[in-house]
Amino acid sequence: ELKVEQNPLFLSMQEGKNYTIYCNYSTTSDRLYWYRQDPGKSLESLFVLLSNGAVKQEGRLMASLDTKARLSTLHITAAVHDLSATYFCASKLTFGTGTRLQVTL
Amino acid sequence: NAGVMQNPRHLVRRRGQEARLRCSPMKGHSHVYWYRQLPEEGLKFMVYLQKENIIDESGMPKERFSAEFPKEGPSILRIQQVVRGDSAAYFCASSLRTIMNTEAFFGQGTRLTVV
Repeated sequence: ELKVEQNPLFLSMQEGKNYTIYCNYSTTSDRLYWYRQDPGKSLESLFVLLSNGAVKQEGRLMASLDTKARLSTLHITAAVHDLSATYFCASKLTFGTGTRLQVTL
Repeated sequence: NAGVMQNPRHLVRRRGQEARLRCSPMKGHSHVYWYRQLPEEGLKFMVYLQKENIIDESGMPKERFSAEFPKEGPSILRIQQVVRGDSAAYFCASSLRTIMNTEAFFGQGTRLTVV
């Protein structure tokens, strides 16, 4: 059974600082997806990582994939308030537990 | 090109009634997935369908729950004899090819409340 684990589960971030979310998955996969969910809303696709070593950046977010380590990271640079949301990684049909980010002034 | 459309957005049912949730995938998408999200929790995979076929229903409860994706019309998730524990947000997603190879796009969800 595929397991996808994220840590931390909750992250309180100070504005302007950098943080990283980790996503580990248990079985071989060369693709990994990151989504964002605002409270009470649907999921928005952020990144599709298609191969080992893939790195994608959008604004203050950068995602990378290491298929050998079965690890993806989502790096946040200089956090701002509008990044507050819950972030999910997903491998195949399975979603991670989610990481709730809260940016404080 | 409209996104994934789910209806209703909110559904209230009394215990013992049936709930029918509808999902129209994005135009051209033939792969549909249903997920359940309990408050403050992640998404749990329920079922994966591809036009008229159930591909993977490993996350679907064995009783009271069924899903279909007919040749014409939306995908339907049916919950019979609902109980309070069925209260959750149900999200549908669709993809052009299997989710193993391409990203999925999510609908706005149906929030089911069982009273």
